[in-house]
Amino acid sequence: NAGVTQTPKFQVLKTGQSMTLQCAQDMNHEYMSWYRQDPGMGLRLIHYSVGAGITDQGEVPNGYNVSRSTTEDFPLRLLSAAPSQTSVYFCASRETGGSINSPLHFGNGTRLTVT
Amino acid sequence: SQQGEEDPQALSIQEGENATMNCSYKTSINNLQWYRQNSGRGLVHLILIRSNEREKHSGRLRVTLDTSKKSSSLLITASRAADTASYFCAATGVQGAQKLVFGQGTRLTINP
Repeated sequence: NAGVTQTPKFQVLKTGQSMTLQCAQDMNHEYMSWYRQDPGMGLRLIHYSVGAGITDQGEVPNGYNVSRSTTEDFPLRLLSAAPSQTSVYFCASRETGGSINSPLHFGNGTRLTVT
Repeated sequence: SQQGEEDPQALSIQEGENATMNCSYKTSINNLQWYRQNSGRGLVHLILIRSNEREKHSGRLRVTLDTSKKSSSLLITASRAADTASYFCAATGVQGAQKLVFGQGTRLTINP
């Protein structure tokens, strides 16, 4: 199994550009989430989804959109990139949306730089 | 606000020594989890302890949980160079249980 796959691995954007970070998992996990990791800030939750068609906001949702049309995919969209969105983005999933005692499985991240 | 906060922020020890990292959290929790992150990689789950458990072991890892002090500790025994990584605690709150909130992490360096 590939687990959680994120693409691209690296991306450079200019301020105001838009892009979509892709996340796919092949474990049939209902729960998927997006985090950003900044130096000294740990990981902060952006958005999450407990199943297809259901999304909700995390700690830092502003500037990001998500949708969940399938169980496998959970793309993160930046509508108008800003330098403050320079970060490393991680997608994570876990089995069974209602099981809070299941561990998260992480992708290897997308390193985004906004100039 | 961070639910989990690790202490120390950085720790450097000799190979073979034990490493202890601490985590404090703010609200009532369902469980507390520990993750490891190697440089340039995603986080890997190490161990989960539920709120009604006080201690849990997994190989060279020992986790304790004190809900009265809202704190947890991760002990790595007989450290190895391969244990060099950042370690994060993450708490699942009773409120907002679908949001796993991470601390800032402890950077552990094992010197050969």
